[in-house]
Amino acid sequence: EAQVTQNPRYLITVTGKKLTVTCSQNMNHEYMSWYRQDPGLGLRQIYYSMNVEVTDKGDVPEGYKVSRKEKRNFPLILESPSPNQTSLYFCASSLFPPGEGYEQYFGPGTRLTVT
Amino acid sequence: QKEVEQNSGPLSVPEGAIASLNCTYSDRGSQSFFWYRQYSGKSPELIMSIYSNGDKEDGRFTAQLNKASQYVSLLIRDSQPSDSATYLCAVRGTNAGKSTFGDGTTLTVKP
Repeated sequence: EAQVTQNPRYLITVTGKKLTVTCSQNMNHEYMSWYRQDPGLGLRQIYYSMNVEVTDKGDVPEGYKVSRKEKRNFPLILESPSPNQTSLYFCASSLFPPGEGYEQYFGPGTRLTVT
Repeated sequence: QKEVEQNSGPLSVPEGAIASLNCTYSDRGSQSFFWYRQYSGKSPELIMSIYSNGDKEDGRFTAQLNKASQYVSLLIRDSQPSDSATYLCAVRGTNAGKSTFGDGTTLTVKP
């Protein structure tokens, strides 16, 4: 089954404790992206990757890191989480950057709480 | 000014009516436009995409794009209670990797 998986689905952590949210897709997609969603704010793009070893900032990259060492995986790293990073996080992928003929598929989401 | 703005909600329509959702964007070079539906607690799912000026129809859904006015809309005909969800407008601008979403419009269809 074609899918985007994220782990963990739920995470409660404390300020400053490094964490990684994993994202994996089995569709051989080149493009992957991370978003955060806060109440009333839609989705805001954190980072995206056009291909292996090619990543770039979205609109809200501060406090986050990413890496793309394999095509299928695109982990999101919070080196020193803070309470303002409490949010719902979505990973997404598409064959190429979203556009004509290229649909973006979303993972199930990771709900992160930083206390 | 936000890069992508949607009409403020919530929007409530009776079952069988037409629901109209609107979105404006600021990047005049934008080429790709998307409407996603998101049920509470779930991930967004694509329902319509549009790339050329005019209308695009898919079943009960019609997307309309006017690049000159920087405006994109979604019409849902014969609205059903199962259409009750938040609808997100997304725009891919001149930077191919960046996707900008509006804040969403929550639609409720009352039986």
